[in-house]
Amino acid sequence: AQSVAQPEDQVNVAEGNPLTVKCTYSVSGNPYLFWYVQYPNRGLQFLLKYITGDNLVKGSYGFEAEFNKSQTSFHLKKPSALVSDSALYFCAVRSRPKIIFGSGTRLSIRP
Amino acid sequence: GAGVSQSPRYKVAKRGQDVALRCDPISGHVSLFWYQQALGQGPEFLTYFQNEAQLDKSGLPSDRFFAERPEGSVSTLKIQRTQQEDSAVYLCASSLVLAGSGEQYFGPGTRLTVT
Repeated sequence: AQSVAQPEDQVNVAEGNPLTVKCTYSVSGNPYLFWYVQYPNRGLQFLLKYITGDNLVKGSYGFEAEFNKSQTSFHLKKPSALVSDSALYFCAVRSRPKIIFGSGTRLSIRP
Repeated sequence: GAGVSQSPRYKVAKRGQDVALRCDPISGHVSLFWYQQALGQGPEFLTYFQNEAQLDKSGLPSDRFFAERPEGSVSTLKIQRTQQEDSAVYLCASSLVLAGSGEQYFGPGTRLTVT
């Protein structure tokens, strides 16, 4: 069965510092991974996806994610955090036809 | 362009009432999904449509839950005899391509509170 785990409920970062939101996966076959972001009272927004190819995937709003097969990880990163990045972030994996989401990590960026 | 829209945005129902939640997907999107998001958790899959055909309803928690998409565009999720455990945000998502082939675009959700 496909699954993802987000080990941190909350991540706190100062504005301007790099940020990492962690995700590990468990899949049978090749992984097809996503990151989504959820702002208050708004639906989930797609950030990026990994299918195959380069291990570093670039996405929206300056985010990127690093796929690491040996560590079964797909961590979300950004070189310099903005206060506006504060939101709930979900790692997810494809399990046809649906997407299976992690429990979410709340990212808080302090000025 | 217009995204996925859902109505109502908020719904309060008394236990035992029936509710109907509407989803308008992005025009031309073949695939439509319903998810349930409980407070503090990630969304969980309920059901999937490819055009008007409901191809997967494995996530529907009970036979009180029913979904339809009769003309392959607008979809309605109906919950009969609502219970308190049905309180959650119900998210609709659509995708241009067949399931699993691309990202899904989500609506803002309907927050259902059962009292």
